Amino acid sequence: QVQLVQSGAEVRKPGASVKVSCKASGYTFTQYDIYWVRQATGQGLEWVGWINPNSGNTEYAQNLQGRVTLTSETSINTVYMELSSLTPQDTAVYYCARGWQWLDYWGRGALVTVSS
Amino acid sequence: IQVTQSPSFLSASVGDKITITCRASQSIGTYLNWYQQEPGKAPHLLIYAASTLQSGVPSRFSGSGSETDFTLTISSLQPEDFATYYCQQTYTIPKVAFGGGTKVEIK
Repeated sequence: QVQLVQSGAEVRKPGASVKVSCKASGYTFTQYDIYWVRQATGQGLEWVGWINPNSGNTEYAQNLQGRVTLTSETSINTVYMELSSLTPQDTAVYYCARGWQWLDYWGRGALVTVSS
Repeated sequence: IQVTQSPSFLSASVGDKITITCRASQSIGTYLNWYQQEPGKAPHLLIYAASTLQSGVPSRFSGSGSETDFTLTISSLQPEDFATYYCQQTYTIPKVAFGGGTKVEIK
């Protein structure tokens, strides 16, 4: 069965960076794109970025441009999201999800907490 | 392109028929999806391409609309349907956008 397994919760200080992983299984990794979506506590869903694991092509949300980087490692079916220069406003659950025109499988999310 | 959901909060009873609306800031054809999110869980896909039911989703869920106006209807609310619902436009993929969400609570 299709699964997206994300790395665990992280705590960082303001100004630091965090890298969250998303390991896919149960399907051909290079045939589906991966989106990242975040959700602050009690808030809605916010698109973070997109990666085509095969080509490595990426697109990022304008408000995160320059601070977010998505990469893929096809040999281990894993996509990474790195967010730098963290502020408390980046505290959220970060989800990876599979798809293109719709997102049919989601990871369970990784809580990133930014606090001094 | 932004998508705006209404209402943001809805109180209803088991067995009620409810409708949630999503309006796009410009025409998006049928590039509109709906997701359900239960507290503490990841969202999951209900309807894609405005009106196609995802496999395994109960038939009491339905979607309609095109261009700028879309609706998600639940014909008879069940206890497990009390959750938050989001629309998503994918006309500008991969740069997508979600609506603000509609929280459905028990009256």
